Amino acid sequence: SYVLTQPPSVSVAPGKTARITCGGNNIGSKSVHWYQQKPGQAPVLVIYYDSDRPSGIPERFSGSNSGNTATLTISRVEAGDEADYYCQVWDSSSDHPRVFGGGTKLTVL
Amino acid sequence: EVQLVESGGGLIQPGGSLRLSCAASGFTVSSNYMSWVRQAPGKGLEWVSVIYSGGSTYYADSVKGRFTISRDNSKNTLYLQMNSLRAEDTAVYYCARSGDYEELDYWGQGTLVTVSS
Repeated sequence: SYVLTQPPSVSVAPGKTARITCGGNNIGSKSVHWYQQKPGQAPVLVIYYDSDRPSGIPERFSGSNSGNTATLTISRVEAGDEADYYCQVWDSSSDHPRVFGGGTKLTVL
Repeated sequence: EVQLVESGGGLIQPGGSLRLSCAASGFTVSSNYMSWVRQAPGKGLEWVSVIYSGGSTYYADSVKGRFTISRDNSKNTLYLQMNSLRAEDTAVYYCARSGDYEELDYWGQGTLVTVSS
């Protein structure tokens, strides 16, 4: 089945830009979605269809996807952005259609 | 307003069975793709199962043959029947709705399943 690879952790200072990558074979041909999960809470969708933001998600959150890497970018990082972030794709040709990356812990220094 | 409320979790012995429920409001379960996703303590998200609007179902290899996803259209509720439970099934189980691009746009609050003797 399809495998998504994320770095276990990313650290960034407040006000700077955080980039979290999600690697997969030809991931650029798939739609990538990103979720934010804070401790003790359910995941929240922050980016869908590579780069679209659901209503209520700040413009500071953006996404891109090309080749073998998708990227979640968080600009002007705030303390409240500290969380785990997961990428996910839908592999329509598979018997395991939904795949998650292993998750990245974003630490705001 | 879309809401998903899971129930049915608890402590169960290895080899036992449990049925999780996910009551939906604000939309029609049968018109959407619905998934179960779990998260073991301290671990990442793991997709468990999906039921499509047409009724097709798919499962992760780790639960295939032991878990069954279903829905009751009259109750607008999603279910996960879990049999032959193992310690490694211990997790918070979330139900989630799929949006137009197969993103999981709404999630329940989760229900904890603990498999232990």
